[in-house]
Amino acid sequence: GQSLEQPSEVTAVEGAIVQINCTYQTSGFYGLSWYQQHDGGAPTFLSYNALDGLEETGRFSSFLSRSDSYGYLLLQELQMKDSASYFCAVPRSGGYNKLIFGAGTRLAVHP
Amino acid sequence: GAVVSQHPSWVICKSGTSVKIECRSLDFQATTMFWYRQFPKQSLMLMATSNEGSKATYEQGVEKDKFLINHASLTLSTLTVTSAHPEDSSFYICSASAGISYNEQFFGPGTRLTVL
Repeated sequence: GQSLEQPSEVTAVEGAIVQINCTYQTSGFYGLSWYQQHDGGAPTFLSYNALDGLEETGRFSSFLSRSDSYGYLLLQELQMKDSASYFCAVPRSGGYNKLIFGAGTRLAVHP
Repeated sequence: GAVVSQHPSWVICKSGTSVKIECRSLDFQATTMFWYRQFPKQSLMLMATSNEGSKATYEQGVEKDKFLINHASLTLSTLTVTSAHPEDSSFYICSASAGISYNEQFFGPGTRLTVL
């Protein structure tokens, strides 16, 4: 089957850097995505990695190591508004666009 | 671009009634729409996948007669929760894929359903 593991909670202070890890088990890999969701809101797409390495988009970066079935989301210069849940996701094997989401990591940013 | 709307944003209904939730892609044609359910502080669980003009594909454990999905056009999909019960209370979220980016789905703002 397919599964993703990520920490349930992470706490950090404003201005700090935080890394949210995600390990996955899947047959047939088509990339790792990250989504952000604020309480009561819709998930929004953050990033997608299909190849090994680091992808940078402003304060957020995402990393992938296919050999380790591992990726992470790196958030820099944390702001209070970054307090949210972060989900990693992979396409379902043979599922054409269907995504399997991890359980989510709740990030709390404190002053 | 890539805006998805949902209506209503929240609904309260009595047990035994049916509730319809609409999902629209506003500025693109969605080849595929997905319906998710999310309980508090939990992940998104895919309920079903719908393609325009064809029957929806339901995930294991999701009752197709209880959660009716209609995908009448490339911009509209509806989810009807029939004979709703309190255990159906949840946050229902739709997403749409334009088929351009394999891994990117655009999510609607969600519908909070409370069944009394």
